[in-house]
Amino acid sequence: EAGVTQFPSHSVIEKGQTVTLRCDPISGHDNLYWYRRVMGKEIKFLLHFVKESKQDESGMPNNRFLAERTGGTYSTLKVQPAELEDSGVYFCASSQGREVSPLHFGNGTRLTVT
Amino acid sequence: SQQGEEDPQALSIQEGENATMNCSYKTSINNLQWYRQNSGRGLVHLILIRSNEREKHSGRLRVTLDTSKKSSSLLITASRAADTASYFCAAYSGGYQKVTFGTGTKLQVIP
Repeated sequence: EAGVTQFPSHSVIEKGQTVTLRCDPISGHDNLYWYRRVMGKEIKFLLHFVKESKQDESGMPNNRFLAERTGGTYSTLKVQPAELEDSGVYFCASSQGREVSPLHFGNGTRLTVT
Repeated sequence: SQQGEEDPQALSIQEGENATMNCSYKTSINNLQWYRQNSGRGLVHLILIRSNEREKHSGRLRVTLDTSKKSSSLLITASRAADTASYFCAAYSGGYQKVTFGTGTKLQVIP
């Protein structure tokens, strides 16, 4: 079984530019989550998809962040325009079913905004 | 939110010693999970304990849960250098609820 994959692994962009992160969950996993960790602080929840629908997007910082999940498969997280405080590691995780089973994480995308 | 709060924030021990990490959460849960993160990698699920369980073992890991105190502990016995990582707890309340994490405990095992 292939794991959760994220692309790119690293991204360095200038303030004001746009970046799109991609996550491919484990096949068949309905739940897809995005998290962010900034400077060794807490792993902060961003949003949760169930199939193609946004179940909970209460953690999205502001309208510069846009997440989509096309056809309930892969997901993208776009930051436009990027600000310095957006720097951090963005993790994607997936799981099966309605009752949570363990989350499977990707290795994350390290985003640096300069 | 079911954010777990881990304690201590950092722990340094010698190889062979036991490591204990604690977690507190705020409201009722369906289960509580522990994860490990090695530097530069994603989180890896270690163990899940349900709300009706008090203790669970998996290899060198022992997890306890006290729902009356809203707390859990993770014990790693006979630690190894390879156990060096950050450890996170995540409390989950059921259904399509989000899973939230705290700041983690950074464990260093010195060979």
